[in-house]
Amino acid sequence: DAMVIQNPRYQVTQFGKPVTLSCSQTLNHNVMYWYQQKSSQAPKLLFHYYDKDFNNEADTPDNFQSRRPNTSFCFLDIRSPGLGDAAMYLCATSRDPSTDTQYFGPGTRLTVL
Amino acid sequence: SQKIEQNSEALNIQEGKTATLTCNYTNYSPAYLQWYRQDPGRGPVFLLLIRENEKEKRKERLKVTFDTTLKQSLFHITASQPADSATYLCALDRGSSNTGKLIFGQGTTLQVKP
Repeated sequence: DAMVIQNPRYQVTQFGKPVTLSCSQTLNHNVMYWYQQKSSQAPKLLFHYYDKDFNNEADTPDNFQSRRPNTSFCFLDIRSPGLGDAAMYLCATSRDPSTDTQYFGPGTRLTVL
Repeated sequence: SQKIEQNSEALNIQEGKTATLTCNYTNYSPAYLQWYRQDPGRGPVFLLLIRENEKEKRKERLKVTFDTTLKQSLFHITASQPADSATYLCALDRGSSNTGKLIFGQGTTLQVKP
């Protein structure tokens, strides 16, 4: 059974054209995370939501925003994608911030033309 | 700040042998350390967690050790199979206390040859 679902799996956008990636979860977890992973690199945390509380990482560019309208869904908005934003974007969940395990979705591969 | 180092070179071994992957961290010892498996084009999948007061943890053919003196964790796969071929990521909490925010190593790619 799918637990963390990401749509679409592949997204192509044009330089500067806003794009939204979506994540949903059936685990009823309180925390949802967004990571960026470039080729052969470690996943890098962009931000996370603990319930409705948004926590941005200090080095996340302003170009990246997120919304969490309810427990199940979380969106990543890239306002003006640049070529450097091409990457795999991973959504993950955990029961609470101190819970050990994170459950990842399959990722969305973003291509910027 | 905390940094994680994993061998970026791929590890190639023969089926049936034991694979050993290394994860070193540079700063304070975390409350726990985790290992994930990532297949190409997929999200990481949690495998094992070991806490700072545990020396060793096992799950089926997997074994993890945690040496806070050496600031190192070793991840072993015994009786390796071609299906074990993947990238293995080490992760730990980025704070000295339990923040729930993980930092990941870049991973080591394991290739098991039949």
